Amino acid sequence: DVKVTQSSRYLVKRTGEKVFLECVQDMDHENMFWYRQDPGLGLRLIYFSYDVKMKEKGDIPEGYSVSREKKERFSLILESASTNQTSMYLCASSLLGSSYEQYFGPGTRLTVT
Amino acid sequence: KQEVTQIPAALSVPEGENLVLNCSFTDSAIYNLQWFRQDPGKGLTSLLLIQSSQREQTSGRLNASLDKSSGRSTLYIAASQPGDSATYLCAVSMGNNDMRFGAGTRLTVKP
Repeated sequence: DVKVTQSSRYLVKRTGEKVFLECVQDMDHENMFWYRQDPGLGLRLIYFSYDVKMKEKGDIPEGYSVSREKKERFSLILESASTNQTSMYLCASSLLGSSYEQYFGPGTRLTVT
Repeated sequence: KQEVTQIPAALSVPEGENLVLNCSFTDSAIYNLQWFRQDPGKGLTSLLLIQSSQREQTSGRLNASLDKSSGRSTLYIAASQPGDSATYLCAVSMGNNDMRFGAGTRLTVKP
């Protein structure tokens, strides 16, 4: 079974803090994704990566950066957290290409106060 | 731009009923369509993946169909149970790792 894990289920941070969200997958998937999910807006893609050290912007990359130093790990970084980044963050992975299932982690509920 | 719509937004049925969830999309040039289940405060669990060349997929009590030309997919749940209560999302893959999600249908199955 594919397993995607995220470092925290719940996180509370203050405005201006630097925040790291970690995602690890154990199925040797090339693709990894970061989404945020907000009521009424659905899931929106922040960034994705198709290989180590490779990254592509999604629909809403502003205020975020990512890091992929190892194939199994994809980190989302909020350089200076703001209240409008309070959201549910979901990580996913898949095999390379667009024909494969995406597998999701349990999510991190981030609150920025 | 691809738009994915799920109607209804919420559905409540008595236990044992067969039900159909609907998903429509505006651009038929898709790679595949995936149905997910999401429990409150949790991540997404993949239920079924239908490739663009396929018409349907089945898993247990679930059957998903795809009519690419009309931009529609349905998820059929047979003999619903209270444990099926969750939000169901559909998503279409547009290629280039571009996946578009519907807003979901929140299903409640009453005992």
